[in-house]
Formats: sequence, C-alpha cells, structure tokens
Amino acid sequence: DTGVSQDPRHKITKRGQNVTFRCDPISEHNRLYWYRQTLGQGPEFLTYFQNEAQLEKSRLLSDRFSAERPKGSFSTLEIQRTEQGDSAMYLCASSLAAGTTYEQYFGPGTRLTVT
Amino acid sequence: GDSVTQMEGPVTLSEEAFLTINCTYTATGYPSLFWYVQYPGEGLQLLLKATKADDKGSNKGFEATYRKETTSFHLEKGSVQVSDSAVYFCALGGGSQGNLIFGKGTKLSVKP
Repeated sequence: DTGVSQDPRHKITKRGQNVTFRCDPISEHNRLYWYRQTLGQGPEFLTYFQNEAQLEKSRLLSDRFSAERPKGSFSTLEIQRTEQGDSAMYLCASSLAAGTTYEQYFGPGTRLTVT
Repeated sequence: GDSVTQMEGPVTLSEEAFLTINCTYTATGYPSLFWYVQYPGEGLQLLLKATKADDKGSNKGFEATYRKETTSFHLEKGSVQVSDSAVYFCALGGGSQGNLIFGKGTKLSVKP
C-alpha cells in the first residue's frame, strides 16, 4: 500500500532563497491538497487541485507561493524569496473527489526552516 | 465561517485512565467530522470519522459521536496506553473547496 509521499522531509534555507517541495499522492486519488502547519497549531489550507486544475487558493498563499500539478499526478509547491515567517511544516494530502466524506490522507510533511 | 474548537492541552494521564478530548464546531450545512492523530515528527493519520448526525466513528479503541444538537464530536477512549501519546486534531470537512478545517490540536501524554 503506497501512501502519500513528500520530498524532502527537511529543508533548511537562507532567507531570500527559493525552495521547491514535491508531493506524490495515492495513485488513484484525483484531489490533492497543500496545508501549512506552524508550531502548536492545526494545519491550515493553502490550495488544492482536482486532477491538473488548481481550483482554489487560500488568502494565506501569497504571490511568492506557486503550486503545480502537471498531468494530474505529483505536485510541486515553490516558495520564492523565502522569509523567516515561511518556516513551517508543509503537508500534502490526497483524496478521491467522489462522494462527500472529504476523507483525506496525509503525507509525512516537509519541515522548512528559513534562517 | 466554519471553525473547530478543541480543549486546550496538554493532557497528562496515567496508563489505563479514561480519556476525553472535547471538540465543538461551527458550520453551515452538515459537515463530515474527523479525528486525526499526529505522532512526533510525522504527518497526520486519520483516526476516525463520522459523516452524519448520530453516527459513531470508532478505531483502535477510540470513539466519537457526531452530536448535531450540541455541535460536538468529543473523542473518548476507555483505557489509554503509553503508545497513545500524540497530538490529536479534530477537523470538519465540507467547505466549498473540500478542504479540512482543523482545531489547534490537543497534546496527550500517557505515563506508565
């Protein structure tokens, strides 16, 4: 059983650098979500895709953030000109669009530290 | 907008004690409700879910009942183990984007 995978698991970068994270969802899932989790808080929604279409972005997603899901398979999240406030755990989740239970399966996350 | 409120932690219990973690929600419509668990350094794992009023979700000895009249989804376990030590998140689904809305989490520590 292959779950959701994320790469890298940890990333340390200097302020002002660009970083890119990758998420591979469960293969038959056509919805893919990105969340951000800061220390002591629950995950907060950033954006989601249905197949290759990015259907919604949270107001948390500034214009320094961009996400893609080419061919409706894996997804990438890029942060340009990183700031210390971007330090967080970035979580990816996937689900089936069918039905209304919104059951999502999460990857292990990428922990970003901006120094 | 939709929101979830969880009891604040941390919660510290002795092994075999009874656990309750309170969760209440505010939502338009009839959302699905979830409990997720996060072990140190890991992502979130779905623990249990309920999709309509009066449904009871259960898994690994944990239970929660969807109470529409009190807008609650409290997590309970009759006898906790050290291995249950983790952070527990209550969440609701059904927003326009299908995203989950999480509470802040409750950290549980179980001592032997």
